[in-house]
Amino acid sequence: TQLLEQSPQFLSIQEGENLTVYCNSSSVFSSLQWYRQEPGEGPVLLVTVVTGGEVKKLKRLTFQFGDARKDSSLHITAAQPGDTGLYLCAGAGAGGTSYGKLTFGQGTILTVHP
Amino acid sequence: EAQVTQNPRYLITVTGKKLTVTCSQNMNHEYMSWYRQDPGLGLRQIYYSMNVEVTDKGDVPEGYKVSRKEKRNFPLILESPSPNQTSLYFCASSLSAGTRREQYFGPGTRLTVT
Repeated sequence: TQLLEQSPQFLSIQEGENLTVYCNSSSVFSSLQWYRQEPGEGPVLLVTVVTGGEVKKLKRLTFQFGDARKDSSLHITAAQPGDTGLYLCAGAGAGGTSYGKLTFGQGTILTVHP
Repeated sequence: EAQVTQNPRYLITVTGKKLTVTCSQNMNHEYMSWYRQDPGLGLRQIYYSMNVEVTDKGDVPEGYKVSRKEKRNFPLILESPSPNQTSLYFCASSLSAGTRREQYFGPGTRLTVT
């Protein structure tokens, strides 16, 4: 079973601060995805990274895939109250018995105070 | 509108009473999957299907059954529900089972087994 350790589990910050969320594994993934989930709704895809070392930017959000495709990070610059939510990382199994599977981290609950 | 639909959205049942949660997508996606979400555990994959008539176990398949007779539908069956299956369930679909495997999620089904 592939595991994806996401940290921190909770993050409470003031508007304007920067933050980073990490996802780490000992397994190699063919891609790494980040989702955001609002209460009462299903997760919504933010970004997918595929190549080792890849960096993608989405406005104030920066996503990075580790060189070995085992870890990823989400960095938010100048957080705003609208960024509040549950952030989830997910790794797509690369092969063998993991091919076809999708493994999620435990999630990070982010609260940004005005 | 492109979407994944699930029914019912809420269900309270008793131990041992068979139930089915339906899932349908209108995007002609090949890949479909079921997840359960529990506090502190994130999303865990129950079963997935890479195409019609092809289903595989995820990380927590015990107590669940699925079938994929048509491309658009992927029902989740609990033959004899137990209280430890009380959870929030999500169905999701993806264009393909390849590298990216980006998930489009349904709105969720909150199941309580007493």
